[in-house]
Amino acid sequence: DTAVSQTPKYLVTQMGNDKSIKCEQNLGHDTMYWYKQDSKKFLKIMFSYNNKELIINETVPNRFSPKSPDKAHLNLHINSLELGDSAVYFCASSQVQSYEQYFGPGTRLTVT
Amino acid sequence: GDSVTQMEGPVTLSEEAFLTINCTYTATGYPSLFWYVQYPGEGLQLLLKATKADDKGSNKGFEATYRKETTSFHLEKGSVQVSDSAVYFCALTHYGGSQGNLIFGKGTKLSVKP
Repeated sequence: DTAVSQTPKYLVTQMGNDKSIKCEQNLGHDTMYWYKQDSKKFLKIMFSYNNKELIINETVPNRFSPKSPDKAHLNLHINSLELGDSAVYFCASSQVQSYEQYFGPGTRLTVT
Repeated sequence: GDSVTQMEGPVTLSEEAFLTINCTYTATGYPSLFWYVQYPGEGLQLLLKATKADDKGSNKGFEATYRKETTSFHLEKGSVQVSDSAVYFCALTHYGGSQGNLIFGKGTKLSVKP
């Protein structure tokens, strides 16, 4: 069983479009995250979220919004896509009190 | 703010060579430290961790010791294999208001030649 899964694995779209990336975890974790990995492999936190609190990295444009229908899912919606949004996006999860984060396989987003 | 600095890559070694990837950090208080590995085309996997000073994390022949006096967490392996070729990330986190967000170094790409 895949612990943290993401769909789609690849996403190619045009500037200005709106898209979503889905993430699901079956680990029973309370906290989920979204990270962005740029072309130089640098990873940066975008959001962390549990059922009580959303914490947003202040550098993330408000075109990005996380949506959590339930504890096992944290989807990422992106409006008005820009070329600079091209990256690999990773979802992760952890227990609130645990330091160990489990990562999904990533979604490679290409904006043309 | 907190930060992690890793040695620049790429690192190219022959099979069975000794590996060291340097990692130093800047942080308030007492962070937990991690090494994650990313194999080509895959997500990140936790390789090892240490949660307090002088702890040694180890897994799959890799080791790293949490050195508070030098704020370091260097990754070592005595004899690398071709299958160790990957990108290695040093990271830290604090439990608390940051919700345990990981702060990553920029990654070090390791290539092991047969």
